[in-house]
Amino acid sequence: DAKTTQPTSMDCAEGRAANLPCNHSTISGNEYVYWYRQIHSQGPQYIIHGLKNNETNEMASLIITEDRKSSTLILPHATLRDTAVYYCIVRARSHYTGTASKLTFGTGTRLQVTL
Amino acid sequence: DTEVTQTPKHLVMGMTNKKSLKCEQHMGHRAMYWYKQKAKKPPELMFVYSYEKLSINESVPSRFSPECPNSSLLNLHLHALQPEDSALYLCASSQDQNPGNYGYTFGSGTRLTVV
Repeated sequence: DAKTTQPTSMDCAEGRAANLPCNHSTISGNEYVYWYRQIHSQGPQYIIHGLKNNETNEMASLIITEDRKSSTLILPHATLRDTAVYYCIVRARSHYTGTASKLTFGTGTRLQVTL
Repeated sequence: DTEVTQTPKHLVMGMTNKKSLKCEQHMGHRAMYWYKQKAKKPPELMFVYSYEKLSINESVPSRFSPECPNSSLLNLHLHALQPEDSALYLCASSQDQNPGNYGYTFGSGTRLTVV
Protein backbone atom coordinates (compact mmCIF):
# COMPACT_ATOMS: atom_id res chain seq x y z
CA ASP A 1 0.00 0.00 0.00
CA ALA A 2 1.17 3.52 -0.78
CA LYS A 3 2.69 5.66 1.94
CA THR A 4 0.88 8.78 3.17
CA THR A 5 2.19 12.04 4.61
CA GLN A 6 0.12 14.20 6.94
CA PRO A 7 0.92 17.25 9.07
CA THR A 8 1.61 16.31 12.67
CA SER A 9 -0.93 18.72 14.12
CA MET A 10 -3.49 21.38 13.20
CA ASP A 11 -5.74 23.81 15.04
CA CYS A 12 -9.23 24.88 14.03
CA ALA A 13 -11.71 27.30 15.60
CA GLU A 14 -15.07 25.84 16.52
CA GLY A 15 -17.67 26.43 13.83
CA ARG A 16 -15.10 26.83 11.10
CA ALA A 17 -14.25 24.27 8.44
CA ALA A 18 -11.33 21.98 9.22
CA ASN A 19 -9.33 21.03 6.14
CA LEU A 20 -6.95 18.14 6.74
CA PRO A 21 -4.49 17.43 3.91
CA CYS A 22 -2.90 14.13 2.99
CA ASN A 23 -0.18 13.47 0.47
CA HIS A 24 -0.11 10.07 -1.25
CA SER A 25 2.05 10.72 -4.30
CA THR A 26 2.82 7.02 -4.93
CA ILE A 27 -0.81 5.91 -5.00
CA SER A 28 -1.63 3.38 -7.68
CA GLY A 29 -4.74 3.00 -9.76
CA ASN A 30 -6.51 0.41 -7.63
CA GLU A 31 -5.84 2.06 -4.28
CA TYR A 32 -8.52 3.85 -2.30
CA VAL A 33 -8.07 6.69 0.16
CA TYR A 34 -9.62 6.01 3.59
CA TRP A 35 -9.98 8.38 6.52
CA TYR A 36 -10.38 7.32 10.13
CA ARG A 37 -10.23 9.31 13.33
CA GLN A 38 -9.45 8.36 16.90
CA ILE A 39 -10.83 10.38 19.75
CA HIS A 40 -8.80 10.09 22.93
CA SER A 41 -9.06 6.67 24.62
CA GLN A 42 -11.50 5.34 22.02
CA GLY A 43 -11.12 2.99 19.05
CA PRO A 44 -10.63 4.47 15.57
CA GLN A 45 -13.79 5.49 13.75
CA TYR A 46 -14.34 5.17 10.01
CA ILE A 47 -15.14 8.53 8.40
CA ILE A 48 -15.13 8.25 4.61
CA HIS A 49 -13.29 6.77 1.65
CA GLY A 50 -12.97 7.37 -2.07
CA LEU A 51 -11.19 6.32 -5.24
CA LYS A 52 -11.10 9.35 -7.55
CA ASN A 53 -14.39 11.18 -7.24
CA ASN A 54 -15.12 13.57 -4.43
CA GLU A 55 -17.26 12.01 -1.72
CA THR A 56 -19.55 13.41 0.94
CA ASN A 57 -21.40 11.82 3.82
CA GLU A 58 -22.99 13.01 7.04
CA MET A 59 -19.62 13.35 8.74
CA ALA A 60 -17.30 14.89 6.17
CA SER A 61 -16.31 15.53 2.58
CA LEU A 62 -13.34 14.03 0.79
CA ILE A 63 -11.69 15.95 -2.04
CA ILE A 64 -9.22 13.97 -4.15
CA THR A 65 -7.05 15.82 -6.66
CA GLU A 66 -7.34 14.90 -10.31
CA ASP A 67 -3.91 13.23 -10.33
CA ARG A 68 -4.89 11.44 -7.07
CA LYS A 69 -1.58 12.33 -5.46
CA SER A 70 -3.23 14.15 -2.59
CA SER A 71 -6.54 14.54 -0.84
CA THR A 72 -8.25 16.75 1.72
CA LEU A 73 -10.72 15.75 4.39
CA ILE A 74 -13.15 18.54 5.17
CA LEU A 75 -15.15 18.80 8.38
CA PRO A 76 -17.53 21.62 7.40
CA HIS A 77 -18.36 22.97 10.86
CA ALA A 78 -15.87 21.66 13.39
CA THR A 79 -16.96 21.21 17.00
CA LEU A 80 -14.99 20.49 20.14
CA ARG A 81 -16.03 16.83 19.77
CA ASP A 82 -14.07 16.66 16.51
CA THR A 83 -10.80 17.00 18.44
CA ALA A 84 -9.01 13.77 17.55
CA VAL A 85 -6.17 12.17 15.60
CA TYR A 86 -7.12 11.83 11.93
CA TYR A 87 -5.55 9.06 9.88
CA CYS A 88 -5.32 9.02 6.09
CA ILE A 89 -4.78 5.49 4.79
CA VAL A 90 -4.27 4.26 1.25
CA ARG A 91 -5.02 0.67 0.47
CA ALA A 92 -6.08 -1.49 -2.41
CA ARG A 93 -9.36 -3.28 -2.58
CA SER A 94 -8.95 -6.81 -3.79
CA HIS A 95 -11.73 -8.36 -5.81
CA TYR A 96 -10.64 -11.82 -4.79
CA THR A 97 -12.37 -13.38 -1.84
CA GLY A 98 -10.18 -15.39 0.41
CA THR A 99 -7.36 -12.88 0.38
CA ALA A 100 -6.74 -11.19 3.69
CA SER A 101 -6.16 -7.46 3.82
CA LYS A 102 -4.46 -5.07 6.20
CA LEU A 103 -5.37 -1.58 7.31
CA THR A 104 -2.06 0.10 8.16
CA PHE A 105 -2.13 3.35 10.14
CA GLY A 106 0.42 6.13 9.68
CA THR A 107 1.16 8.75 12.33
CA GLY A 108 -1.92 10.89 11.52
CA THR A 109 -2.79 14.53 12.19
CA ARG A 110 -3.75 15.64 15.67
CA LEU A 111 -6.62 18.13 15.18
CA GLN A 112 -7.35 20.47 18.08
CA VAL A 113 -10.65 22.36 17.85
CA THR A 114 -10.73 25.42 20.08
CA LEU A 115 -13.37 27.88 21.23
CA ASP B 1 -26.33 -3.84 16.74
CA THR B 2 -23.53 -1.87 15.07
CA GLU B 3 -20.87 -2.21 17.72
CA VAL B 4 -17.78 -4.18 18.53
CA THR B 5 -17.73 -4.93 22.26
CA GLN B 6 -14.47 -5.57 24.06
CA THR B 7 -14.09 -6.88 27.59
CA PRO B 8 -12.62 -6.12 29.99
CA LYS B 9 -12.07 -2.39 29.51
CA HIS B 10 -9.09 -2.42 31.86
CA LEU B 11 -6.82 -5.28 32.91
CA VAL B 12 -3.83 -5.41 35.21
CA MET B 13 -1.87 -8.65 35.18
CA GLY B 14 1.37 -9.99 36.52
CA MET B 15 4.07 -11.40 34.29
CA THR B 16 3.23 -14.96 35.33
CA ASN B 17 -0.52 -14.66 34.88
CA LYS B 18 -2.71 -16.04 32.13
CA LYS B 19 -5.57 -13.84 31.00
CA SER B 20 -7.82 -13.44 27.98
CA LEU B 21 -9.25 -10.48 26.12
CA LYS B 22 -12.64 -10.89 24.51
CA CYS B 23 -14.17 -9.25 21.46
CA GLU B 24 -17.72 -9.70 20.19
CA GLN B 25 -19.71 -8.39 17.24
CA HIS B 26 -23.18 -9.23 15.94
CA MET B 27 -23.07 -7.42 12.61
CA GLY B 28 -22.47 -10.57 10.57
CA HIS B 29 -18.92 -9.45 9.81
CA ARG B 30 -16.66 -12.29 8.65
CA ALA B 31 -13.28 -10.65 9.23
CA MET B 32 -11.92 -9.73 12.65
CA TYR B 33 -8.69 -8.09 13.71
CA TRP B 34 -6.48 -7.47 16.74
CA TYR B 35 -4.43 -4.27 16.94
CA LYS B 36 -2.01 -3.07 19.59
CA GLN B 37 -1.58 0.62 20.33
CA LYS B 38 1.13 2.12 22.51
CA ALA B 39 0.69 5.61 23.94
CA LYS B 40 0.87 8.41 21.33
CA LYS B 41 1.48 5.89 18.54
CA PRO B 42 -0.83 4.63 15.77
CA PRO B 43 -2.49 1.20 16.07
CA GLU B 44 -0.35 -1.70 14.84
CA LEU B 45 -1.93 -4.78 13.32
CA MET B 46 -1.33 -8.07 15.14
CA PHE B 47 -3.70 -10.67 13.68
CA VAL B 48 -6.37 -11.00 11.00
CA TYR B 49 -9.07 -13.67 11.02
CA SER B 50 -11.07 -14.24 7.89
CA TYR B 51 -14.05 -16.61 7.98
CA GLU B 52 -12.83 -17.87 11.37
CA LYS B 53 -9.40 -18.82 10.04
CA LEU B 54 -6.18 -17.03 10.88
CA SER B 55 -5.15 -15.15 7.74
CA ILE B 56 -2.39 -12.84 8.94
CA ASN B 57 -0.01 -13.02 11.89
CA GLU B 58 2.28 -10.00 11.91
CA SER B 59 5.14 -11.92 13.54
CA VAL B 60 3.56 -11.52 16.96
CA PRO B 61 5.35 -13.28 19.87
CA SER B 62 3.80 -16.57 20.93
CA ARG B 63 2.88 -15.17 24.34
CA PHE B 64 -0.09 -13.70 22.44
CA SER B 65 -2.43 -16.43 21.19
CA PRO B 66 -5.53 -15.52 19.19
CA GLU B 67 -8.63 -17.66 18.93
CA CYS B 68 -11.81 -17.31 16.90
CA PRO B 69 -14.39 -19.76 18.34
CA ASN B 70 -17.13 -18.60 15.96
CA SER B 71 -17.94 -15.80 13.56
CA SER B 72 -19.02 -13.44 16.33
CA LEU B 73 -16.23 -13.93 18.84
CA LEU B 74 -12.52 -13.23 18.90
CA ASN B 75 -10.29 -13.90 21.87
CA LEU B 76 -6.70 -12.96 22.62
CA HIS B 77 -5.06 -15.24 25.17
CA LEU B 78 -2.17 -13.73 27.10
CA HIS B 79 0.56 -15.62 28.92
CA ALA B 80 3.91 -14.62 30.39
CA LEU B 81 3.68 -11.05 29.19
CA GLN B 82 6.34 -8.41 29.72
CA PRO B 83 5.85 -4.85 31.02
CA GLU B 84 6.52 -3.54 27.50
CA ASP B 85 3.35 -5.34 26.36
CA SER B 86 1.32 -2.80 28.29
CA ALA B 87 -0.84 -1.05 25.70
CA LEU B 88 -4.36 -0.50 24.40
CA TYR B 89 -5.54 -3.63 22.57
CA LEU B 90 -8.11 -2.92 19.91
CA CYS B 91 -10.44 -5.33 18.17
CA ALA B 92 -12.05 -4.54 14.82
CA SER B 93 -14.35 -6.24 12.36
CA SER B 94 -15.35 -5.77 8.73
CA GLN B 95 -17.89 -7.33 6.41
CA ASP B 96 -15.19 -9.43 4.86
CA GLN B 97 -11.49 -9.22 4.39
CA ASN B 98 -11.97 -6.58 1.73
CA PRO B 99 -14.05 -3.91 3.46
CA GLY B 100 -16.09 -2.03 0.94
CA ASN B 101 -18.36 0.82 1.76
CA TYR B 102 -18.28 0.58 5.50
CA GLY B 103 -14.66 0.23 6.49
CA TYR B 104 -13.66 -1.36 9.75
CA THR B 105 -15.64 -1.07 12.97
CA PHE B 106 -13.42 -0.80 16.03
CA GLY B 107 -14.14 -1.54 19.66
CA SER B 108 -13.11 0.84 22.43
CA GLY B 109 -10.25 -1.37 23.42
CA THR B 110 -8.84 -3.06 26.50
CA ARG B 111 -6.19 -1.08 28.34
CA LEU B 112 -3.68 -3.66 29.56
CA THR B 113 -1.06 -3.03 32.21
CA VAL B 114 1.56 -5.71 32.89
CA VAL B 115 3.24 -5.43 36.29
